[in-house]
Amino acid sequence: GAGVSQSPRYKVAKRGQDVALRCDPISGHVSLFWYQQALGQGPEFLTYFQNEAQLDKSGLPSDRFFAERPEGSVSTLKIQRTQQEDSAVYLCASSPTPTYEQYFGPGTRLTVT
Amino acid sequence: DAKTTQPNSMESNEEEPVHLPCNHSTISGTDYIHWYRQLPSQGPEYVIHGLTSNVNNRMASLAIAEDRKSSTLILHRATLRDAAVYYCILRGVFFNQAGTALIFGKGTTLSVSS
Repeated sequence: GAGVSQSPRYKVAKRGQDVALRCDPISGHVSLFWYQQALGQGPEFLTYFQNEAQLDKSGLPSDRFFAERPEGSVSTLKIQRTQQEDSAVYLCASSPTPTYEQYFGPGTRLTVT
Repeated sequence: DAKTTQPNSMESNEEEPVHLPCNHSTISGTDYIHWYRQLPSQGPEYVIHGLTSNVNNRMASLAIAEDRKSSTLILHRATLRDAAVYYCILRGVFFNQAGTALIFGKGTTLSVSS
């Protein structure tokens, strides 16, 4: 079946621009996670949704980062006024329950110039 | 989540077994040991997990020390497609409503030669 998809796969933004990254989880998956992966590092947790509720946003690095999942399926990660340090791969993962194994999408590579 | 320690890199030859070690000396009694791997330019994928007993699945085997302070992921016959970064992650059994995010370290980069 279809896995987790993310779009766009690559995004180049000029410093100061706003960007929106989309995640389509596996249908029916309750839990959705966003992670940020800098070059050469492991992924780092950003935020977690259970259905449409954002239950944990402790990993968001600043108030320029905002995520939503209004209908409990598709999620969008928005970054306002992008900075060079935001350059990374943004990964989305979903799972049928909060403790089940997580299924990751291919990621969106964001480059801020 | 407790911390894990893995070697930065390992090398293997195709068709040979690979043993990837992980130390987790501060593991608690309620922590599961999970392994994920990340192939180049892809998101991580689940490999295997266990609590106390050794586990086998179609991808790999997980050997857990009796004191649970270390574990080893075993790939029985490495292929070129197994070249990836392998992450050993501890994940609590009990979770709060905030969910159970995975806490990744730097993992072990496995190279496989033909």
